[in-house]
Amino acid sequence: ELKVEQNPLFLSMQEGKNYTIYCNYSTTSDRLYWYRQDPGKSLESLFVLLSNGAVKQEGRLMASLDTKARLSTLHITAAVHDLSATYFCAVGATNKLIFGTGTLLAVQP
Amino acid sequence: EPEVTQTPSHQVTQMGQEVILRCVPISNHLYFYWYRQILGQKVEFLVSFYNNEISEKSEIFDDQFSVERPDGSNFTLKIRSTKLEDSAMYFCASEGGYEQFFGPGTRLTVL
Repeated sequence: ELKVEQNPLFLSMQEGKNYTIYCNYSTTSDRLYWYRQDPGKSLESLFVLLSNGAVKQEGRLMASLDTKARLSTLHITAAVHDLSATYFCAVGATNKLIFGTGTLLAVQP
Repeated sequence: EPEVTQTPSHQVTQMGQEVILRCVPISNHLYFYWYRQILGQKVEFLVSFYNNEISEKSEIFDDQFSVERPDGSNFTLKIRSTKLEDSAMYFCASEGGYEQFFGPGTRLTVL
């Protein structure tokens, strides 16, 4: 059974700082997704990573995938308050996505 | 830009009642999904649907649940006899080009 773990579960950081969220998964997959969720809202797609070594960047967020280590990272550069949200990774399995536990990011001014 | 839509946005029901949650996937997508998220928890897969039949379902998706594509546009999730523990946000998603696009969700409250 595919398991997806994220850490940390909660991250409080100051504006301007850098940090990384980690997503580990237990069985082979070549599809990894990152989503953002604001309170009470739906899931907004951030990145789709489809191959080993894939790296994608959008603004202050950069995601990478290492399929051999079964690890994806979401790196935040020079955080700003607008990035405060919950971030989920999700691993593609046959006919479904399996989500991680989520990381609640709070960026303090 | 095409998007997945869901109705209603909020449904309140009494325990034991039937509810139908509705979704309109993106028009040229072929794969459809239902997920749920209990408040404060992670998103859980319920069921996937392709070519008018269920592709896969989770342990959560028991005999109380069913899905249907009654016409060319709608995709529905029915819960026959709701339980208190069915209270959650239910998200519909459709897939195109390896990416799943999520609807805004239906908040189901079972009293």
